[in-house]
Amino acid sequence: GIQVEQSPPDLILQEGANSTLRCNFSDSVNNLQWFHQNPWGQLINLFYIPSGTKQNGRLSATTVATERYSLLYISSSQTTDSGVYFCAAMKYGNKLVFGAGTILRVKS
Amino acid sequence: KAGVTQTPRYLIKTRGQQVTLSCSPISGHRSVSWYQQTPGQGLQFLFEYFSETQRNKGNFPGRFSGRQFSNSRSEMNVSTLELGDSALYLCASSFGTENNEQFFGPGTRLTVL
Repeated sequence: GIQVEQSPPDLILQEGANSTLRCNFSDSVNNLQWFHQNPWGQLINLFYIPSGTKQNGRLSATTVATERYSLLYISSSQTTDSGVYFCAAMKYGNKLVFGAGTILRVKS
Repeated sequence: KAGVTQTPRYLIKTRGQQVTLSCSPISGHRSVSWYQQTPGQGLQFLFEYFSETQRNKGNFPGRFSGRQFSNSRSEMNVSTLELGDSALYLCASSFGTENNEQFFGPGTRLTVL
């Protein structure tokens, strides 16, 4: 089945810095989502982006489907951005395959 | 519009017992999927239900089962609990056509003693 790899596994930033999180997937996909897991465990939807570029405030995402990767950009990071970011891909059916996540810590 | 709800939020059981978790999808969504999250294995797909039928299944033993009702609410059951079943169980809902955006509930944290 499809494999999803995220990098880096850990990232420490100073407040105000920018960051880029990467997600590589091993096969063509029909769905690609980015999530932020809050401290209570809920997965919060950031982007549904099987291809192209989207922006939402300080966050933006780009998926290059032909090259099998997606990037999540966080600009002007805030302490509230801390947490775990997951990328998940779906090739067919309604089955998401998750990466291992990137743990982001933003220091004030 | 209300999000995905899961009950209970926390559960403590002992080995050998069974447990039933519940998930109510977003109104209008017909697909419910279940995922298990553990520190060692990460987030793994359990199964998906659509129109009261199991449509996809992950690689979990038969102790893990589920069902879906006519109002799209879903339950999952784990029988003969093992210590390794301690995990966060998340359900996701979507419209159910292929490759729809998935929306997750807050999860049920199960501890097996």
